[in-house]
Amino acid sequence: ETGVTQTPRHLVMGMTNKKSLKCEQHLGHNAMYWYKQSAKKPLELMFVYSLEERVENNSVPSRFSPECPNSSHLFLHLHTLQPEDSALYLCASQGVGPRGEQFFGPGTRLTVL
Amino acid sequence: GEDVEQSLFLSVREGDSSVINCTYTDSSSTYLYWYKQEPGAGLQLLTYIFSNMDMKQDQRLTVLLNKKDKHLSLRIADTQTGDSAIYFCAEGDPSGSARQLTFGSGTQLTVLP
Repeated sequence: ETGVTQTPRHLVMGMTNKKSLKCEQHLGHNAMYWYKQSAKKPLELMFVYSLEERVENNSVPSRFSPECPNSSHLFLHLHTLQPEDSALYLCASQGVGPRGEQFFGPGTRLTVL
Repeated sequence: GEDVEQSLFLSVREGDSSVINCTYTDSSSTYLYWYKQEPGAGLQLLTYIFSNMDMKQDQRLTVLLNKKDKHLSLRIADTQTGDSAIYFCAEGDPSGSARQLTFGSGTQLTVLP
């Protein structure tokens, strides 16, 4: 248990659906991240929020829309996804220590039909 | 941009040592990390090394850093079946404004009985 939770753990959606992924941390961290993990590919950084401000958007298609209402919560809103968006979506948080360790949630396994 | 490369697979016999290798391109990295991902879970920090060190030992884990060749390795002594997982190498500068880490594709370690 790393202190970062994600819901749902599994999600199957059609290409016309709208859904949201939720991430929550109560570690007192002030940076949160969304990553996409696909088989045999490097972990892809999607979004970075630092002090609730988005500091990085890594050329992610607009069908993915992040939201960070406060330092403990991060959402990823999904709409009109494509089958190639099927992957494990990982949330992470980072504190202010010099080591920069990121704490990861267990991920949401997303399947787009 | 920055790049981190790892071989995709490694198999070892239980009780043997495992060595997982990683190369990176960003010479400004201040920290290098090894993360472990077990099935159905997020990534968990195993160990890290500061860029001005060349070796770090932590129980069964030994990290070697060759900064000149930008090569990082993780040695697991007396490998056990519980060590079977995906191991990710990552590099970054946590004090940077974007606070990003760059991850490799991960090495799937299989420990054979």
